[in-house]
Amino acid sequence: GAGVSQTPSNKVTEKGKYVELRCDPISGHTALYWYRQSLGQGPEFLIYFQGTGAADDSGLPNDRFFAVRPEGSVSTLKIQRTERGDSAVYLCASSPQGAGGTEAFFGQGTRLTVV
Amino acid sequence: AQKVTQAQTEISVVEKEDVTLDCVYETRDTTYYLFWYKQPPSGELVFLIRRNSFDEQNEISGRYSWNFQKSTSSFNFTITASQVVDSAVYFCARHGGADGLTFGKGTHLIIQP
Repeated sequence: GAGVSQTPSNKVTEKGKYVELRCDPISGHTALYWYRQSLGQGPEFLIYFQGTGAADDSGLPNDRFFAVRPEGSVSTLKIQRTERGDSAVYLCASSPQGAGGTEAFFGQGTRLTVV
Repeated sequence: AQKVTQAQTEISVVEKEDVTLDCVYETRDTTYYLFWYKQPPSGELVFLIRRNSFDEQNEISGRYSWNFQKSTSSFNFTITASQVVDSAVYFCARHGGADGLTFGKGTHLIIQP
């Protein structure tokens, strides 16, 4: 596809369950970012991949959150033992190079609701 | 944390008025980048502009213009002759170093017909 694709668009899960959120970046983009946006707030940085490796995971809130990008393209954000406070829109973005040199293109997000 | 502050939570103007959205940032980096994104009700963040810290020239793109002033650490955004379709949440963001963008809390702009 032409843009960043995120699936599912909506996910409702019960407290304590495990969820996976998927991001398909723009083809050829080496940099991939995950952000979390709570209602009425700006997106909050979670993790940045350059290729297959996590160049910066300082934004992950705790060890229940983990992300992978095994082949340097698709990425999966994994949340264990979900809590109600994890409810938010999870945004993925990709860019050709990473750092600030180019714009990041965002997907439409996955709205996660933990009940 | 090096914050980005958008002091205006919500602005409401009547169509055709000019409106300026304020952005003030903190940074310890010599080289950094500043951005503006638009988030319409559909939710997708739309890139508007990127400016590096060495380029203080103001920029105009159609009805949009940006004023970057390093002396006051500000990167303000003006929409001239606003239109209803400009209604959205606008985010200012900063990038410096290896991490991702640091966003402000956003300004909800409402353009009334």
